Amino acid sequence: DADVTQTPRNRITKTGKRIMLECSQTKGHDRMYWYRQDPGLGLRLIYYSFDVKDINKGEISDGYSVSRQAQAKFSLSLESAIPNQTALYFCATSDLGNGYTFGSGTRLTVV
Amino acid sequence: AQRVTQPEKLLSVFKGAPVELKCNYSYSGSPELFWYVQYSRQRLQLLLRHISRESIKGFTADLNKGETSFHLKKPFAQEEDSAMYYCALSGQGYSTLTFGKGTMLLVSP
Repeated sequence: DADVTQTPRNRITKTGKRIMLECSQTKGHDRMYWYRQDPGLGLRLIYYSFDVKDINKGEISDGYSVSRQAQAKFSLSLESAIPNQTALYFCATSDLGNGYTFGSGTRLTVV
Repeated sequence: AQRVTQPEKLLSVFKGAPVELKCNYSYSGSPELFWYVQYSRQRLQLLLRHISRESIKGFTADLNKGETSFHLKKPFAQEEDSAMYYCALSGQGYSTLTFGKGTMLLVSP
């Protein structure tokens, strides 16, 4: 079983639609993150959460929102999707002092 | 502000050749540096971190604070090393990771 599970794996949606990407983990980590990956731009941080009551904006939070429903669950929402949000989205977890564990990614296409 | 620079988008070598993937960083305090690898269509995996000073899959990386670098090296590249490599930095207090833009390593037979 995967430590960090992202759903869906792939999604095509229309401009203006609301969409939610979900992430769940069995690592028992307090810290969770959402990144987007674009060719030539690497990974950029969207939002992060250090515990259930903590939510922080990252480098590129505009157009996104998040919800930390439980220690194990961290979802990312696009309130009104636009084509330049087409990307590969990664969820990750960590505990203090160690590297990240990444999910398999969600490939999102906004048409 | 913290920043990670990987100057090469693509590095192409032949099997058996030495490999060096460059990483430079900008950070005012004492950073923690990592290398992550992403094989085709797979998730990112931690390759190594400077604090552990270990060698993984024949790769090593030394933190050079004077040159603010954390280059990844392997003496003899293998075809299975072909992947995207990301250098990443975490600031003091184990804050979030800042990634470089990545270097694609292609190892040809």
